[in-house]
Amino acid sequence: NAGVTQTPKFQVLKTGQSMTLQCAQDMNHNSMYWYRQDPGMGLRLIYYSASEGTTDKGEVPNGYNVSRLNKREFSLRLESAAPSQTSVYFCASDDEIRSSYNSPLHFGNGTRLTVT
Amino acid sequence: ELKVEQNPLFLSMQEGKNYTIYCNYSTTSDRLYWYRQDPGKSLESLFVLLSNGAVKQEGRLMASLDTKARLSTLHITAAVHDLSATYFCAVLMDSNYQLIWGAGTKLIIKP
Repeated sequence: NAGVTQTPKFQVLKTGQSMTLQCAQDMNHNSMYWYRQDPGMGLRLIYYSASEGTTDKGEVPNGYNVSRLNKREFSLRLESAAPSQTSVYFCASDDEIRSSYNSPLHFGNGTRLTVT
Repeated sequence: ELKVEQNPLFLSMQEGKNYTIYCNYSTTSDRLYWYRQDPGKSLESLFVLLSNGAVKQEGRLMASLDTKARLSTLHITAAVHDLSATYFCAVLMDSNYQLIWGAGTKLIIKP
């Protein structure tokens, strides 16, 4: 059981380049999330998808787009990378019904992105 | 806007000692989560606290939630080196069901 799988693990981009971070989960979870983690700060939500076919903005969506390709896959795209987007990106999933939230998020191993 | 503050942000302690990490938050919520992160690794769930007065224990770690005080604690008993990690609390916003994260407490336990 792989859980949540993210690719790539590392990436270096030049300012203005684009890339897509891939995330897939095999737990049949409904909800998927993209977070960024910066030094000295907690995780910040970029976008989330509560179910297949829906996406919503989180706390810091500017500069990013997402696609919920199917129930398993949720991708994050940087159209024109900027140095401020240098961060560690985590994908996560859970099976929550909005009224309960009794179980935790399951995280991928992260993508370490550097934009020069 | 919900704010989550952890303290201390950095803690170095000796094996065998007890200590407590605090997580304060600014608005009402009755869902709080604790996670552990090892350097360069992903986040691992430790505890889910679902109501006022909730207490959960796993090994040398015990977490509690006081929703009236808007405070959660993570207590470490007789610390061992393997507990060295960064610990995060996260609080569920009632308004939109998003998690707001503390900045993390980096814990170093010296043999």
